[in-house]
Amino acid sequence: GDSVTQMEGPVTLSEEAFLTINCTYTATGYPSLFWYVQYPGEGLQLLLKATKADDKGSNKGFEATYRKETTSFHLEKGSVQVSDSAVYFCALSDPTGGGNKLTFGTGTQLKVEL
Amino acid sequence: ETGVTQSPTHLIKTRGQQVTLRCSSQSGHNTVSWYQQALGQGPQFIFQYYREEENGRGNFPPRFSGLQFPNYSSELNVNALELDDSALYLCASSHGAENSPLHFGNGTRLTVT
Repeated sequence: GDSVTQMEGPVTLSEEAFLTINCTYTATGYPSLFWYVQYPGEGLQLLLKATKADDKGSNKGFEATYRKETTSFHLEKGSVQVSDSAVYFCALSDPTGGGNKLTFGTGTQLKVEL
Repeated sequence: ETGVTQSPTHLIKTRGQQVTLRCSSQSGHNTVSWYQQALGQGPQFIFQYYREEENGRGNFPPRFSGLQFPNYSSELNVNALELDDSALYLCASSHGAENSPLHFGNGTRLTVT
């Protein structure tokens, strides 16, 4: 079945450091890929998405490129801020199974310090 | 635009009891999905409703059931609660088209003692 694997956290960075959170996936069809962010005490917010191979999703300085050859969708940001501290989830949506079901990774906690 | 709202925000139940969680979808959305998020884990898909019909189900037992109403709001019912049902339950709404973004509520934290 479908699965998503992302690097374990917590990831602790200093403000203005470069961020990479790795994500790889397994899917039977041609999935869409997503990054969601969860701030403490809140639900998930869509950060960015890519719907086909070589697409780049971007939002708020975050980027991720859909790499079919390596089945990856790594999240990057050039300069993190304290306000980026949150849990980040990589997810896929495989329309083969019908509906709009998301399969999530286990999440990576990011802590940004001054 | 009103977002996804869930009630209650927190709930404590005893093993063996039944619970109903509620969700109001975002305006204009006709599809509702429910997810269970255990502590330190990613959300797991429970089921999805589209226009009042179940439209996909994850690997959860039949004691997890749901409803969607004509106004597209939804309920999640869990019977015979077990300790492992303790989790954050997230509701998400969307337009219903494939790959349309899910908009999540802040969740209901259920504790089973």
